[in-house]
Amino acid sequence: DAGITQSPRHKVTETGTPVTLRCHQTENHRYMYWYRQDPGHGLRLIHYSYGVKDTDKGEVSDGYSVSRSKTEDFLLTLESATSSQTSVYFCATQGGPGELFFGEGSRLTVL
Amino acid sequence: SQQGEEDPQALSIQEGENATMNCSYKTSINNLQWYRQNSGRGLVHLILIRSNEREKHSGRLRVTLDTSKKSSSLLITASRAADTASYFCATDAGQGGKLIFGQGTELSVKP
Repeated sequence: DAGITQSPRHKVTETGTPVTLRCHQTENHRYMYWYRQDPGHGLRLIHYSYGVKDTDKGEVSDGYSVSRSKTEDFLLTLESATSSQTSVYFCATQGGPGELFFGEGSRLTVL
Repeated sequence: SQQGEEDPQALSIQEGENATMNCSYKTSINNLQWYRQNSGRGLVHLILIRSNEREKHSGRLRVTLDTSKKSSSLLITASRAADTASYFCATDAGQGGKLIFGQGTELSVKP
């Protein structure tokens, strides 16, 4: 258990509203990732961070932004949520080369 | 596009039987990892095999890697009902530690 907390765990929102998901870790891991999981697509990387203020895009980054002002926090923001962003979002951390540690997920429904 | 593709998509077996899941990928890799996901939970790392390894064991798990065929298999021996979960392969192609996940195999082990 890498001490990863995602919040909120469940959220229902309306199209066009901004949404921020938070990932908090207690292991001082350098790397942090946001994935989304959808049926038929597995997990797809949205954005990742390799240090404070160092972030980069993944394969499905359109419509999402991230920020990492502290080692322990990685925020995922949907500036204007759309129904296609209804998904389960997972945060993961990585201390070095090798395994990822995952949070329990945040289920987002955009109506 | 997904790096890994898994086969079968779903597998149903009886307790005590062995379960084999396969993963194919497209590009050269540094390592390949297998993860497990119980329903409604985050992913949990099972095992990592490096590109210069051909086989690895961990308890009832056996992983093989054939880099010439760009494929891997996960064998769970003497399965238990508690093994019921989705299993994902993930490849590390050396791009800053990012992992690319397959779509997963849903394993159901019936008592």
